[in-house]
Amino acid sequence: AQSVAQPEDQVNVAEGNPLTVKCTYSVSGNPYLFWYVQYPNRGLQFLLKYITGDNLVKGSYGFEAEFNKSQTSFHLKKPSALVSDSALYFCAVRDSNAGNMLTFGGGTRLMVKP
Amino acid sequence: EPEVTQTPSHQVTQMGQEVILRCVPISNHLYFYWYRQILGQKVEFLVSFYNNEISEKSEIFDDQFSVERPDGSNFTLKIRSTKLEDSAMYFCASSDRTINYGYTFGSGTRLTVV
Repeated sequence: AQSVAQPEDQVNVAEGNPLTVKCTYSVSGNPYLFWYVQYPNRGLQFLLKYITGDNLVKGSYGFEAEFNKSQTSFHLKKPSALVSDSALYFCAVRDSNAGNMLTFGGGTRLMVKP
Repeated sequence: EPEVTQTPSHQVTQMGQEVILRCVPISNHLYFYWYRQILGQKVEFLVSFYNNEISEKSEIFDDQFSVERPDGSNFTLKIRSTKLEDSAMYFCASSDRTINYGYTFGSGTRLTVV
């Protein structure tokens, strides 16, 4: 069965500093990986995805993520955090050997302080 | 950019009542999904729908739940007899035939059962 782990409930970072939000996954086939962001009382906004190809994926709002097959990780990164990046971030995976459903991690709250 | 539209944005219902949550997926998408998020918790898969039938469902999706695509544009989730624990944010999503375009989520319906 596919699964996703986000080991940190919350990440605190100062504005202007780089940020990393961690995600590891488990699948039986090939992983299709996604990051979504959720602002308070809002829906899930797509940030970026890895399907195949380059391991470094660039997405919306200056975010990027690196697919690491050996470590089964897909950490979200941004070189310089903004206060407006403060939100709840979800990593999700779909297993190529399974159906179409996405499995989400538990979410990581990112707090960027001025 | 195409959107998934959900109505209503917030619904309050009495325990034991039936509710129908409505979604209009992206018009050329073929796969449709419902997810739910209990307040502050992870996003959980409920059901996926393809070719006018359920393709996958989770343990949460018991006999109280049903889905329907009544007219070729709407996609509905019905809860027959709501319980207090059904209170959650319900997200509709849709996806294309290929994985390359990912999943697009609606902004959600907040269901409150009192």
